[in-house]
Amino acid sequence: GNSVTQMEGPVTLSEEAFLTINCTYTATGYPSLFWYVQYPGEGLQLLLKATKADDKGSNKGFEATYRKETTSFHLEKGSVQVSDSAVYFCALSPRSGGYQKVTFGTGTKLQVIP
Amino acid sequence: DGGITQSPKYLFRKEGQNVTLSCEQNLNHDAMYWYRQDPGQGLRLIYYSQIVNDFQKGDIAEGYSVSREKKESFPLTVTSAQKNPTAFYLCASSIPEEETQYFGPGTRLLVL
Repeated sequence: GNSVTQMEGPVTLSEEAFLTINCTYTATGYPSLFWYVQYPGEGLQLLLKATKADDKGSNKGFEATYRKETTSFHLEKGSVQVSDSAVYFCALSPRSGGYQKVTFGTGTKLQVIP
Repeated sequence: DGGITQSPKYLFRKEGQNVTLSCEQNLNHDAMYWYRQDPGQGLRLIYYSQIVNDFQKGDIAEGYSVSREKKESFPLTVTSAQKNPTAFYLCASSIPEEETQYFGPGTRLLVL
């Protein structure tokens, strides 16, 4: 079956530090890949996505590139802010037609300290 | 503004009691989902519905029930058969062509 593996947290960074959160996946075919963000006490919201190999998704200074050869979709940001403190979920959608069950990773908590 | 609302924000369940969590969307999405979130376990799918009057079990449906009588509403009932209901419950919706799921703010269920 499909699976998503994320690095365990929490990740603690100082403000303006560089962020990488690793995500690798297992899936047949060519899934779409997503990063969702969850702020404390809230639901998830889409941060970025990529639908085919070598696509780069970007939003709010975050980026992730769909790497089919390494089955990875690592999240990066050049300079984090305290307001980026949240839990980040990597996810995939199989795009196999019909109902698309989304598989989520376990989430990585990011804490940014001033 | 379009979106998904969930109520209540916090819900307390007594032993042997059934409780119902509300989920309403005005995005005109056909598909709706219920997830359970526990610390360190990510999101697990409870039930989903692709169209009115139809729904399917997800990975952890035991102890839960749903209905889909209207396109905009997908309530979840946590029955007394669910022995460990304490969790954060998230409702989501989507349109198939877009794949992105849109989430509500969640309901935290606690057992008294």
